[in-house]
Amino acid sequence: DIQMTQSPSSLSASVGDRVTITCRASESISSYLSWFQHKPGNAPKLLIYAASSLQSGVPSRFSGSGSGTDFTLTVTSLQPEDSATYYCQQTYSTPLIFGGGTKVEIK
Amino acid sequence: EVQLVESGGGWVQPGGSLRLSCAASGFMFSSYAMSWVRQAPGKGLEWVSAITGGGGSTYYADSVKGRFTISRDNSKNTLSLQMDSLRGEDTAIYFCAKDEHTIPAEYFQHWGPGTLVTVSS
Repeated sequence: DIQMTQSPSSLSASVGDRVTITCRASESISSYLSWFQHKPGNAPKLLIYAASSLQSGVPSRFSGSGSGTDFTLTVTSLQPEDSATYYCQQTYSTPLIFGGGTKVEIK
Repeated sequence: EVQLVESGGGWVQPGGSLRLSCAASGFMFSSYAMSWVRQAPGKGLEWVSAITGGGGSTYYADSVKGRFTISRDNSKNTLSLQMDSLRGEDTAIYFCAKDEHTIPAEYFQHWGPGTLVTVSS
């Protein structure tokens, strides 16, 4: 099975900061990588698919990059509503493993 | 508009069974693979199971293999998850999610609101 290692597990940043979250696959997954934002009580929200494609309606301050085994989610100017837990997920092969999550707190 | 609505959650004793359903609308149900994803209290997201659009192939996480069965009724636009031999660690919110391809997996754009399953004596 492909394992997904996400880091950091949590971070605290100020409004306007640039935030970067990384996700590493245990083997190559090409660009089969999604990023989700999850807030308590809600369904996960797709932000990025195919490693770097921005989902329609998602603010352009979110971006994704990478291929193979190393991937990054970047938020260029953190906003108060970005407080959430972020997950990567590989869809290259089953089981469709999620990363452990990154909890983003606004200072 | 794509809509997914889960039902069937509730409280069950360890060793018991529960059947979850996900009612789908707003898209050609049989053309898309579907998955179940769960989140245990205080834990992250965990993919549970997937099924192809036609229902001919199924996939499971090791943690539920042999205990859970995913199925679909394309005539009723309904996805199901039969959960047997339930354990405390199966306590979670269960989400159904629509894939963007007929076979797993592309990406999960649409999710239901989730249904809570509690396994406890």
